[in-house]
Parts: sequence; C-alpha cells; structure tokens
Amino acid sequence: DVVLTQTPVSLSVTLGDQASISCRSSQSLEYSDGYTYLEWYLQKPGQSPQLLIYGVSNRFSGVPDRFIGSGSGTDFTLKISRVEPEDLGVYYCFQATHDPWTFGGGTKLELK
Amino acid sequence: EVQLVESGGGLVQPGRSLKLSCAASGFTFSDYAMAWVRQAPKKGLEWVATIIYDGSSTYYRDSVKGRFTISRDNAKSTLYLQMDSLRSEDTATYYCARLGYWYFDFWGPGTMVTVSS
Repeated sequence: DVVLTQTPVSLSVTLGDQASISCRSSQSLEYSDGYTYLEWYLQKPGQSPQLLIYGVSNRFSGVPDRFIGSGSGTDFTLKISRVEPEDLGVYYCFQATHDPWTFGGGTKLELK
Repeated sequence: EVQLVESGGGLVQPGRSLKLSCAASGFTFSDYAMAWVRQAPKKGLEWVATIIYDGSSTYYRDSVKGRFTISRDNAKSTLYLQMDSLRSEDTATYYCARLGYWYFDFWGPGTMVTVSS
C-alpha cells in the first residue's frame, strides 16, 4: 500500500501566521493518465472531514484562497496563509492514484 | 443542499453482523459513485469501500474483502454497507461520502460501530 507521511504531526500557530504541512508519498502519485490524484481534507473538532484541495492544487468550492496546495511526484505541501480560528483541526492528505486509496496520518493544527 | 445521513450503527459482538445505511438527498444519487470511510477512535481516516454510480462495480480494502458488502438502491437514494464477521478492529465511526469524480466532496456526520463482547 502507498504510505503517505505527514509532517509535522502537530503544528502550533498564532492567528495570522502562515502554516505549512508536508505530505510525502512512498510512491509517485502521478497516474498513467498524467493526473495526480492527491487531495487535502480538514476535520474540524467534532465534525466530519471536509474537502479542501483536489488534484494537488485545485481549491474545492467555497474554500478560501489562503489555502494553497502544491507539489508533484512524491512531495506535496499544503500552505495556509494567515491562519484563522476556523482553520483549526486535523489536516489529512489522501491519494487515489494507487489501490487501495490511502490517507496520511494527519497533522493537528492548533493555537499556540 | 447535499445531505448524507448514516444510520444503523451500534454495539455488536465479535463475529456478528450489522448493516449500515446512508440516506442521500439534494442531488441525483444515481449520477454519483459513493464510498464508506471509517475512523477508529482517536485515529486517522481509512477508506473502506467504493461503489460506482449504477452498482455494477465495487472496490474494497483488503481487510474487509469477503466480510463487507457495499450496495446501493438508486430508487431509494440509499447506500448500504453490510458488515459480517465483525472484529474488534472494525470499531470505528463510519462515514458515507459522495465521490465527485475521485475525491470525497461531501460527507455524512457518521455512525459509530462498536464491536465488543
């Protein structure tokens, strides 16, 4: 199975700071069709996960432009500029390039 | 508004069965693939199974193959997960999710399944 390793596991920030989360894959996530099926989800406390980014860098409907996804191959990053209170929770990367689909272990974003 | 509401969770003994349901509304259910994703207590997310829009193809993670069956009733806009031979490691919150192409674009609130004697 493809292993997605997220770092850091926990990230303490001050509101208004930038936050950066890394997701490293054990295999390239570029599929034979040329697309990279890498997504980012946020699970706020007590809630279901919600989609933030799909296809590495595409923001889902309604997601603020302070969320920026980037990367290729095996290395991916989610940057959050100017962290706001509603951004706190656990972030997961996810890949649908290889079977079985797998999630990263999660990165908890909390206030300093 | 897209809504997904799971039901059917509860406490069950190891080796027994349980069937989860997910009632969908706010979109044309028969146009979308659907999936189940689970989360063990205090743990991360784990994809469980996927079914394509018409139910003709299904996909499972290895640990549930042969024990779980995903199905759908498009006339009732309902997704199901039949779980047989349950094990303690199946204890989790089970989320129903809509697949917008390959990504989970909408999720239900989840239903808790506890496998324990």
